[in-house]
Amino acid sequence: GIQVEQSPPDLILQEGANSTLRCNFSDSVNNLQWFHQNPWGQLINLFYIPSGTKQNGRLSATTVATERYSLLYISSSQTTDSGVYFCAVIRGSTLGRLYFGRGTQLTVWP
Amino acid sequence: KAGVTQTPRYLIKTRGQQVTLSCSPISGHRSVSWYQQTPGQGLQFLFEYFSETQRNKGNFPGRFSGRQFSNSRSEMNVSTLELGDSAHYLCASSTQGTANTEAFFGQGTRLTVV
Repeated sequence: GIQVEQSPPDLILQEGANSTLRCNFSDSVNNLQWFHQNPWGQLINLFYIPSGTKQNGRLSATTVATERYSLLYISSSQTTDSGVYFCAVIRGSTLGRLYFGRGTQLTVWP
Repeated sequence: KAGVTQTPRYLIKTRGQQVTLSCSPISGHRSVSWYQQTPGQGLQFLFEYFSETQRNKGNFPGRFSGRQFSNSRSEMNVSTLELGDSAHYLCASSTQGTANTEAFFGQGTRLTVV
């Protein structure tokens, strides 16, 4: 199967700082999603981004499918941004299956 | 529009028992997939159902099974529970389960096997 690697595994920031999370994948994919896992364990959708750049408030994401990576930018971090961020990819040949990275654990201190 | 609903939220079972978890997808979504999350293995794919048919299956033993009903609700069953089955089980729904459809997750079921 496809390998998805996320970096860094852990990130500690002070409130107000900016950060960049990276997701590399080992083969061509048809789509990519970014999630934030909240304290109750639910995966919250952040971006659905097969290519290009999208922005949503303080968050933005860029996927360069030809180079097999995606970036998630968080600006002006807040304590509520803390949690685990996952990227997941999907291939057209494997219906209904997301391949997940191991996640980036983000901790934002006040 | 209601999100993906999983029940129960928490469950404690004894080794050797069996358990059934339920997932109700977003209205109109026909694809339901299941994932197991553990600290050691991360998020691993169990299986995916579309229109009551299993289309894809991960690398789990036969003790893990599932089904989907005509209303797209899905159940996952684990028989002869082992301590290592303790995990957070998440289900996701999407309209078609294809590459161009976005997946949405429920809150999950935390299963503890003692």
